[in-house]
Amino acid sequence: DTGVSQNPRHKITKRGQNVTFRCDPISEHNRLYWYRQTLGQGPEFLTYFQNEAQLEKSRLLSDRFSAERPKGSFSTLEIQRTEQGDSAMYLCASSLDTVPTYEQYFGPGTRLTVT
Amino acid sequence: AQSVTQLGSHVSVSEGALVLLRCNYSSSVPPYLFWYVQYPNQGLQLLLKYTSAATLVKGINGFEAEFKKSETSFHLTKPSAHMSDAAEYFCAVSSNDYKLSFGAGTTVTVRA
Repeated sequence: DTGVSQNPRHKITKRGQNVTFRCDPISEHNRLYWYRQTLGQGPEFLTYFQNEAQLEKSRLLSDRFSAERPKGSFSTLEIQRTEQGDSAMYLCASSLDTVPTYEQYFGPGTRLTVT
Repeated sequence: AQSVTQLGSHVSVSEGALVLLRCNYSSSVPPYLFWYVQYPNQGLQLLLKYTSAATLVKGINGFEAEFKKSETSFHLTKPSAHMSDAAEYFCAVSSNDYKLSFGAGTTVTVRA
């Protein structure tokens, strides 16, 4: 399978714990995006990377959130001191930048439940 | 800033009937517009996109959408619904070629 993969698919954690999610983009894609989707809503942009550089962060990405893409390949999203409001589906997408980045390919998401 | 509004959070159609999902956008520059579909516990799949070429855009699974600048609309249609079309559909807009802004989604149910 050469699509975008995300791990884990589901994560249940207690409030106050730290969690880390991983995204593996399509191998030749140099742009990688993170979105958050809460129940009954569309995905909301969190941040994106061009290779290893993080180029934009949404105001939704509080100081408890950090994203990295150390070698320009996979990315991790860490949430520190989780809160119940962090419960959501976290989606990763990737695209090329050699053409206008109209098409973002999404992974299956990681569903986080904070109890 | 850009945004989309999807009219109707839930649409129910009979199998074989027309599917019509409404999307209106707001953008300060010529937009790129998209429709995505999401099946339960899966990521989003691109159905079709408008990128300033033809105003009538054909996508996968028999869906099409028409860009109407005068109405700031990009409604999605399919002439004949199939049971497999039951899913959640999202309209999205991008005006700076990277960040997508999504609508709240429309859930489609198909009655046998």
